[in-house]
Amino acid sequence: DADVTQTPRNRITKTGKRIMLECSQTKGHDRMYWYRQDPGLGLQLIYYSFDVKDINKGEISDGYSVSRQAQAKFSLSLESAIPNQTALYFCATSASYRDANTGELFFGEGSRLTVL
Amino acid sequence: GEDVEQSLFLSVREGDSSVINCTYTDSSSTYLYWYKQEPGAGLQLLTYIFSNMDMKQDQRLTVLLNKKDKHLSLRIADTQTGDSAIYFCAESSYGGSQGNLIFGKGTKLSVKP
Repeated sequence: DADVTQTPRNRITKTGKRIMLECSQTKGHDRMYWYRQDPGLGLQLIYYSFDVKDINKGEISDGYSVSRQAQAKFSLSLESAIPNQTALYFCATSASYRDANTGELFFGEGSRLTVL
Repeated sequence: GEDVEQSLFLSVREGDSSVINCTYTDSSSTYLYWYKQEPGAGLQLLTYIFSNMDMKQDQRLTVLLNKKDKHLSLRIADTQTGDSAIYFCAESSYGGSQGNLIFGKGTKLSVKP
């Protein structure tokens, strides 16, 4: 099984609908992230969480919200989806720097969202 | 803020060497990374280099770091069709405001038979 699991993998929805993307991890990492990928734009950080009680906005948080339900779970919500939120969304995890690691990110397989 | 730049496309013939270049702006970068994204998949770490190193070699991969010019490169020797993917350069610093990686836009490598 994958260490970082995202559901759903694909979703088509209509403008104005509320959508939740879920992420769970078995790596025991403190830090979790949500990124958005658009062709030619690379990865843009939406939100990140360094532990259950620490949630921070990234570069493009407008129109999105998150919930860190547990160390292993981090969900991304689009309260009222719009077409320009059509993209590939990635969840990622990393261990905290105090664990003397390299800061490597571990990615899920991605959730492709289409907003009509 | 910090920025990472890389060219968007590279096309090579099978068996040739590929060189993907990256420049970054954060002089406090501690680690620099190359991630690979195959079609329909998430990113996976290919290799990384610590900022006090000039070169790192791992089988067909050679990473060169010019810290003075803030330039990072990834050389893939004997490029195969299976190397076709998008390659992302990324950097991080312990002093980074977000503590996360800053990614380039990705270089799409196409390998022609």
